Amino acid sequence: EIVLTQSPGTLSLSPGERATLSCRASQSVSSSYLAWYQQKPGQAPRLLIYGASSRATGIPDRFSGSGSGTDFTLTISRLEPEDFAVYYCQQYGSLWTFGQGTKVEIK
Amino acid sequence: QITLKESGPTLVKPTQTLTLTCTFSGFSLSTSGVGVGWIRQPPGKALEWLALIYWNDDKRYSPSLKSRLTITKDTSKNQVVLTMTNMDPVDTATYYCAHLAAMGFFDYWGQGTLVTVSS
Repeated sequence: EIVLTQSPGTLSLSPGERATLSCRASQSVSSSYLAWYQQKPGQAPRLLIYGASSRATGIPDRFSGSGSGTDFTLTISRLEPEDFAVYYCQQYGSLWTFGQGTKVEIK
Repeated sequence: QITLKESGPTLVKPTQTLTLTCTFSGFSLSTSGVGVGWIRQPPGKALEWLALIYWNDDKRYSPSLKSRLTITKDTSKNQVVLTMTNMDPVDTATYYCAHLAAMGFFDYWGQGTLVTVSS
């Protein structure tokens, strides 16, 4: 089973700042089968990024994904008030596993 | 427009079997490449994938829960059913069903249903 480790656990930032979230896999994720989801309290997760770097339909271009192999990054270029949430990475190259999440909170 | 909705009991007793139904619209589970998965989230904790069924009835299960899970589909009713045996309080969680895109990620999710395990 591929284990995903996200860091940091919590990111305290102000609106307008840049957020950089990390996701590290215990073994290489084949074909960059890595997705990112955003989850707000009381809501289902929302797909942001798939294939490590492709934005899902309707996702603003301030969200970008990068990486390959075992190291992946989600970057939010300028935080908007609605971006404060929990973010999960997920691999789908070998069954499906999620990271433990990174909470982006208002500083 | 793809939508999914979970239904089932909100409270189950320890050792009982949980049966959850995912009713969906906007796609057919008889279309090649399509799948529906189940994911759960204990209160305040991370997401955990449980099971998935493909259009061709191929099934995948989480290795850690495989012995307790069964996933089935009823294509005519647009439903997927998940059963989990021997429920324990640690299984208290919000259970989501989700549409599997052809490329393998979950692109549409249901609203989730909270299941509490308590005597």
